[in-house]
Amino acid sequence: QVQLVESGGGVVQPGRSLRLSCAASGFPFSRYAMHWVRQAPGKGLEWVALISYHGSDKYYPDSVKGRLTISRDNSKNTLYLQMNSLRVEDTAIYYCAKVGGATYHHGLDVWGQGTTVTVSS
Amino acid sequence: DIQMTQSPSTLSASVGDRVTITCRASQSIDYWLAWYQQKPGKAPKLLISKASTLETGVPSRFSGSGSGTEFTLTISSLQPDDFATYYCQQYNSYSEISFGGGTKVEIK
Repeated sequence: QVQLVESGGGVVQPGRSLRLSCAASGFPFSRYAMHWVRQAPGKGLEWVALISYHGSDKYYPDSVKGRLTISRDNSKNTLYLQMNSLRVEDTAIYYCAKVGGATYHHGLDVWGQGTTVTVSS
Repeated sequence: DIQMTQSPSTLSASVGDRVTITCRASQSIDYWLAWYQQKPGKAPKLLISKASTLETGVPSRFSGSGSGTEFTLTISSLQPDDFATYYCQQYNSYSEISFGGGTKVEIK
């Protein structure tokens, strides 16, 4: 079945780095744009990054630009989020999600279960 | 940046009630709006895309409407499984995607 499985979360000190992974299965991963979305404890959803199906185009909100980098390896059906210079406010559950169509103009129709990142000294 | 404002933030209702949630965009997003349902400890689930297109498998008691800056999600007859938090999301500009703050639907 269509599935996304995140991994790589954990507890990290402020200023350190972490790389999240999202393994995709059950659909042609290389044909779809992908997102990372996060949710701080008890808070709403916040978009973090978008990558095109081929990986050449990447988009970020100002809140993470320059610190978080999205990438993908279509040969491994895997999405990544490299997180550098982590801050306490980056503490959240991080979800990967699949765009529901062939272009960016679709809702996110498949989500992973999330991986938790805690930034604390 | 496009700001998405949902109202109310919390809604108390009973099984069988008709429920309406509103989402307003700070500028026109045409109909590039999605609605999600999220239950505690779970990932969000896509209910509606393109403002009014029901996703496969979503019960027909859910409906969406609107365009431009004002959108609504309606549950025609609230069921026990519908108590959850609902989010709108705009994807008009894919370089600045944004979510509403959420509406928690509670049991009255």
